[in-house]
Amino acid sequence: KAGVTQTPRYLIKTRGQQVTLSCSPISGHRSVSWYQQTPGQGLQFLFEYFSETQRNKGNFPGRFSGRQFSNSRSEMNVSTLELGDSALYLCASSLFRAINTGELFFGEGSRLTVL
Amino acid sequence: GENVEQHPSTLSVQEGDSAVIKCTYSDSASNYFPWYKQELGKRPQLIIDIRSNVGEKKDQRIAVTLNKTAKHFSLHITETQPEDSAVYFCAASIVTGNQFYFGTGTSLTVIP
Repeated sequence: KAGVTQTPRYLIKTRGQQVTLSCSPISGHRSVSWYQQTPGQGLQFLFEYFSETQRNKGNFPGRFSGRQFSNSRSEMNVSTLELGDSALYLCASSLFRAINTGELFFGEGSRLTVL
Repeated sequence: GENVEQHPSTLSVQEGDSAVIKCTYSDSASNYFPWYKQELGKRPQLIIDIRSNVGEKKDQRIAVTLNKTAKHFSLHITETQPEDSAVYFCAASIVTGNQFYFGTGTSLTVIP
């Protein structure tokens, strides 16, 4: 079974630009969540989608948005990039239904550098 | 919202010794506590988890303990090996939700 796939793996942007990151979950997984990983801050929750609906949102500004498609693939978008947005963005899928089955399966991440 | 604190941020142990990483959480509604291991340049992977109706769980050299009253949980690794060197993250969540709050990570180095 293929794992979680994220694209692109690396990208460099300049301040003020926008970026779109893509995530393909494990087949059959309908929950997709996004995390920002920075040194010293650990993994910070951005948002979670299930059946094309955003169910949870972390404490990030409105410049961070996302969506999920009918095939469970998800995208996140960051507009008006700031230097502080430089981070590894991790996508995770899970078999979540009504009860949390527990395990998040992470992708390898998209490393964003903002210059 | 939930706040998870993790200590220590770095930990060095001799091969064969034990390592203990501790986390505290703030929201008494949290009832699911997983631990993830992230090797250098790789994705985080679940190594063990515990639900609030259990006080301790073991899987070979790894164990997790939970104290609901004090709102803290710990990861114990015995007989450490060099391949245990990684960053370990604790997390807290509500079983009926799918939003995880992670600690800031512990970088464990096992010295051969």
